[in-house]
Amino acid sequence: DAKTTQPTSMDCAEGRAANLPCNHSTISGNEYVYWYRQIHSQGPQYIIHGLKNNETNEMASLIITEDRKSSTLILPHATLRDTAVYYCIVRNSGYALNFGKGTSLLVTP
Amino acid sequence: GAVVSQHPSWVICKSGTSVKIECRSLDFQATTMFWYRQFPKQSLMLMATSNEGSKATYEQGVEKDKFLINHASLTLSTLTVTSAHPEDSSFYICSASAPGSQSPLHFGNGTRLTVT
Repeated sequence: DAKTTQPTSMDCAEGRAANLPCNHSTISGNEYVYWYRQIHSQGPQYIIHGLKNNETNEMASLIITEDRKSSTLILPHATLRDTAVYYCIVRNSGYALNFGKGTSLLVTP
Repeated sequence: GAVVSQHPSWVICKSGTSVKIECRSLDFQATTMFWYRQFPKQSLMLMATSNEGSKATYEQGVEKDKFLINHASLTLSTLTVTSAHPEDSSFYICSASAPGSQSPLHFGNGTRLTVT
């Protein structure tokens, strides 16, 4: 699986949009970009995934650059409950997810 | 959405004893489940891939005789930590995906194992 690079930590004010970047410059053509988050002492929670088109669901939006070498996860209106470690992972079908260190997002009042 | 249930959520055991952790897919069938381990302040590390009806595949450095995996049905995989030692204390998490080539993996809520 291709590796990803994420900032170690980010802050965001409550109610503002949180934009979490991810670089995956070695992604291959059949690998999808997945985003998960982990709140302390819980299992990871699936957020969203995509191949090359932008995606949106009830939790977040995923913007993937045209060359697919980077992506951004957008939480449109961050709340205190969005404080977590966010993982960007590229994955091929049927394979396990290989977790990096992720981005620790702190949402402040 | 797909739900993965893990039991127990925490367990304390004495050195030398064995502990079994169950992972169930509640509303879908999973031919493959994955077991992870997470030490404090670290990321999740893949331990093994559990395949229904066949032997599990272990990652390098994970002892298959110590971490026994059984995937006897399409909705249940178990991880048994045999002859547990304090260094096995960790957060164990399972995951599975619903059928579909790019279905996301869903995770259980983890099992906190403390070996005294």
